[in-house]
Amino acid sequence: NAGVTQTPKFQVLKTGQSMTLQCAQDMNHEYMSWYRQDPGMGLRLIHYSVGAGITDQGEVPNGYNVSRSTTEDFPLRLLSAAPSQTSVYFCASSYRDPTRDSPLHFGNGTRLTVT
Amino acid sequence: QQQVKQSPQSLIVQKGGISIINCAYENTAFDYFPWYQQFPGKGPALLIAIRPDVSEKKEGRFTISFNKSAKQFSLHIMDSQPGDSATYFCAASMRSSASKIIFGSGTRLSIRP
Repeated sequence: NAGVTQTPKFQVLKTGQSMTLQCAQDMNHEYMSWYRQDPGMGLRLIHYSVGAGITDQGEVPNGYNVSRSTTEDFPLRLLSAAPSQTSVYFCASSYRDPTRDSPLHFGNGTRLTVT
Repeated sequence: QQQVKQSPQSLIVQKGGISIINCAYENTAFDYFPWYQQFPGKGPALLIAIRPDVSEKKEGRFTISFNKSAKQFSLHIMDSQPGDSATYFCAASMRSSASKIIFGSGTRLSIRP
């Protein structure tokens, strides 16, 4: 099993450009989520999904869109990149609701720089 | 009320010493407290977790101490090793929180040989 795979590993965007961060898991996990990691801020939840066709907002959803058409994939779309979106983005999945003792499995992250 | 406050921001411990990282929360509805460990260039991974019905949980050299009345919990790493050098995140969640886990700001731990 590959676990949680994120692509690309690095990306540089200009302000106003759009792009999609890819996330795929091969563990048949129902729950998937996106976090951003910034120095001194910890991990902040952007969007999450409890199953195919179901998504919801986290703490910092503005400027990001998600969809969940399959169990395996959970792409994160930046609609119009801004310098404030410079961050490391992590996708995470869990067999079931992570608040019920089901650990989050993280990918290795995408480092995004917006100039 | 949804925050989890973590300290210190960074910590240097000699090999063989005890590393202690502290977290505090306000929301008494939190009922699940995991700790995640992150190595450079990698995503975080679950290290150990506790529910508030116990005051302590130990797994090998790692122990969570939980003080429900003070709304604090801490991670103790006994006999700290250079391989323990990583960033540690505490977190909290509640079953009614719509599947959200709230993370602390992280502690960068360095173990000196």
